[in-house]
Amino acid sequence: KAGVTQTPRYLIKTRGQQVTLSCSPISGHRSVSWYQQTPGQGLQFLFEYFSETQRNKGNFPGRFSGRQFSNSRSEMNVSTLELGDSALYLCASSFFPGGGLETQYFGPGTRLLVL
Amino acid sequence: EDKVVQSPLSLVVHEGDTVTLNCSYEVTNFRSLLWYKQEKKAPTFLFMLTSSGIEKKSGRLSSILDKKELFSILNITATQTGDSAVYLCAVVTGGSQGNLIFGKGTKLSVKP
Repeated sequence: KAGVTQTPRYLIKTRGQQVTLSCSPISGHRSVSWYQQTPGQGLQFLFEYFSETQRNKGNFPGRFSGRQFSNSRSEMNVSTLELGDSALYLCASSFFPGGGLETQYFGPGTRLLVL
Repeated sequence: EDKVVQSPLSLVVHEGDTVTLNCSYEVTNFRSLLWYKQEKKAPTFLFMLTSSGIEKKSGRLSSILDKKELFSILNITATQTGDSAVYLCAVVTGGSQGNLIFGKGTKLSVKP
């Protein structure tokens, strides 16, 4: 069974631009979560989607948004990029609908650099 | 404010040593505590703990949760160079909006 895939793997943007990252979950998984990892803040939860609905949300500004499609694939968008948005963005998927945050598999991540 | 604190932040040991990694937390509406191993990019799941005093074991790794004192430990016995990684502790909170709060991680380096 193929794992969680994320595209692109690396991305360079400039301040003020926007970016869209994509995540394809493991086949059959319907819950997708997004995380930001930086050296200073560590790993931080962004949001979780299940059946095209946002179920949980971390403490990030409105510039960070996401959506999930009917095939469970998910996209994350960051608008008006800031230097501090440079990070590794991880996606994780889970089959278990009631406890999606506890039973999840991580993708390899997208490394975003904002110049 | 919910927080998860791991200690030590980094640790260097030699093969064969036993290590104990610590994770303490202060959160509202605790649901579960998770341990992950992150070697290069994607964290891999190790343990999920929900009940106090029940040890979870997987090979040389074991973990236990103390919900009264609000901490968990991860033990690794007979360490190997392949155990070198960042070990992450995370707490899942419940309520109307669940959240997953990670500690900063402990970087373990195992020397041959």
